[in-house]
Amino acid sequence: QVQLQESGPGLVKPSQTLSLTCTVSGDSINRGNFYWSWIRQPAGKGLEWIGRIYTSGSTNYNPSLKSRVTISIDTSKNQFSLRLTSLTAADTAVYFCARALYVPDLWGQGTMVTVSS
Amino acid sequence: QSVLRQPPSASGTPGQRVTISCSGTSPNIGRNTVNWYQQLPGTAPKLFIYSSNQRPSGVPDRFSGSKSGTTASLAISGLQSEDEADYYCATWDDSLDGWVFGGGTKLTVL
Repeated sequence: QVQLQESGPGLVKPSQTLSLTCTVSGDSINRGNFYWSWIRQPAGKGLEWIGRIYTSGSTNYNPSLKSRVTISIDTSKNQFSLRLTSLTAADTAVYFCARALYVPDLWGQGTMVTVSS
Repeated sequence: QSVLRQPPSASGTPGQRVTISCSGTSPNIGRNTVNWYQQLPGTAPKLFIYSSNQRPSGVPDRFSGSKSGTTASLAISGLQSEDEADYYCATWDDSLDGWVFGGGTKLTVL
């Protein structure tokens, strides 16, 4: 079955850039009309949608993060990625990648990212 | 501050019926269907209700969803201890052009 797996550094320094990758296994990332999203969750808090990308490369971003976020897709590697710049402690969270057709219905297990010097 | 508003907590005893509300506005719940997620500690959210009132395969029929105007509700009947979890509502927001979530409701089975 289709699975998503996040990967990236667990610790990043303030003001630096976070880069995370989501690897899709079990099917081609190109198959179907799916959007591929990033969502995060600070410890003990709610979910925040970061943005999404379609296989064509078109993107939508959360307006509150738009100036710092880039989501890209590499269909040859069956991966999509998140780049978040100018990190602060407020960006400390579990980061999830997810697949959506009409709704995010398949999620990765999440990866914890801590922003600290 | 979440765009969608949920009560932070809810509780019930085994066998009871519990309802969790999710309040939004015209650009989000008013124009789009609502989805509900269950999140157990340390795990990713799992889709429990989509299109306001549809259950994915494998979700017990004790769970039901509804929507009226700019408010949606998740109802759980015949409450069981395994239902203890955090529940989040989510929908698309036409003004923000993105997904928005509720702040989550922690359900406790007493």
